[in-house]
Amino acid sequence: DIQMTQSPSSLSASVGDRVAITCRASQNISSYLNWYQQKPGKAPKLLIYAASLLQSGVPSRFSGSGSGTAFTLTISSLQPEDFASYYCQQSYTTPSYTFGQGTNLEIK
Amino acid sequence: QVHLVQSGAEVKKPGSSVKVSCKASRGTFDNHSINWVRQAPGQGLDWMGGITPMFRTTKYAQRFQGRVTITADESSSTAYMELSSLRSEDTATYYCARVDLLGFFDYWGQGTLVTVST
Repeated sequence: DIQMTQSPSSLSASVGDRVAITCRASQNISSYLNWYQQKPGKAPKLLIYAASLLQSGVPSRFSGSGSGTAFTLTISSLQPEDFASYYCQQSYTTPSYTFGQGTNLEIK
Repeated sequence: QVHLVQSGAEVKKPGSSVKVSCKASRGTFDNHSINWVRQAPGQGLDWMGGITPMFRTTKYAQRFQGRVTITADESSSTAYMELSSLRSEDTATYYCARVDLLGFFDYWGQGTLVTVST
């Protein structure tokens, strides 16, 4: 099975900061990597698919990069509504999937 | 826009089974798969398995194999997830989600809390 490891597990930042969350796959997954945002008590929301493609309606301050085994989700200028948990997910082994353990982004 | 509407919260005894439903409001699954993901309190997302109704194929995560059954009724655009031999560790919110052909989860249900307790 492909393992997905996110870092950091938690992160404190301020409004206006630029932040980056990293996701590493245990083997090459090409660009089959997706990112989600989840707020407390809500279902996850798709942000980025195929490593770098922005889902419709998602603000352009979110971006994704990487391929192979190393990927990054970047938020260029944090807004108050961005404080949430973030998850990566590999779809290289469709129809089986794996999520990262999550990154909790908190207000400093 | 696709809306997935799940059944309500459940409280179950250890050893029993639970069946959660997920109805697509637009009336069709098209050729997409419906997958189930669970989240224990304070924990991350855990993929359980999925079904592609058009092809009647299922795939389950190894750790749930033998305990989970995912089905779909195309006539009512409803998918189901049944988990058996429940234990306290199965207490979680269970989500259904539509999965695109590229493997990303683009539409999610609102979640169903299943509590396993004596």
